[in-house]
Amino acid sequence: SQQGEEDPQALSIQEGENATMNCSYKTSINNLQWYRQNSGRGLVHLILIRSNEREKHSGRLRVTLDTSKKSSSLLITASRAADTASYFCWGYGSSNTGKLIFGQGTTLQVKP
Amino acid sequence: DTAVSQTPKYLVTQMGNDKSIKCEQNLGHDTMYWYKQDSKKFLKIMFSYNNKELIINETVPNRFSPKSPDKAHLNLHINSLELGDSAVYFCASSQKGGSSAFFGQGTRLTVV
Repeated sequence: SQQGEEDPQALSIQEGENATMNCSYKTSINNLQWYRQNSGRGLVHLILIRSNEREKHSGRLRVTLDTSKKSSSLLITASRAADTASYFCWGYGSSNTGKLIFGQGTTLQVKP
Repeated sequence: DTAVSQTPKYLVTQMGNDKSIKCEQNLGHDTMYWYKQDSKKFLKIMFSYNNKELIINETVPNRFSPKSPDKAHLNLHINSLELGDSAVYFCASSQKGGSSAFFGQGTRLTVV
């Protein structure tokens, strides 16, 4: 079974609005990373947050991590049409097996 | 410079054939992975190698055999291809301990 889960599965907003997507996971992690996948393309690394961090910013991206709830959120502010993509959270398991955990992703559509 | 490169990008083949997908990373990472992304976008880990040693083998049919000739390469060989093997296969690499992982652009395999 999948070890990670993003919600919502699909999100449609207008350009300029903020988009928030959430990720929950089941096992302990060393860090959590968010990736973007444009249609038919590969995965692009967006941001990494370590298990001892609670919040991190990178440009228009803001990521939070709550290890007690095993959840993370990704906020994209002032969205643009080019942000249209699928977003995945990915956790590096702390069991030292190097296992990477993915959810199904949130498909974001930003309408111009 | 491409960090993680996979070849081929597209592969169309008939059922029963044997095919290989190659992956190379020039990041000096010690861990490499193969993921399968199905039509529902789930990204499922298949294999993980650390320093040429297999550390993860997730319930993958033994028709799939990874081969790691050195730390920088992890190839995926698939015997007796089946229709259900059609998917996008992603190679990735990271440094054990949880650094950012980098993904290849994916190989879209279509079995007809």
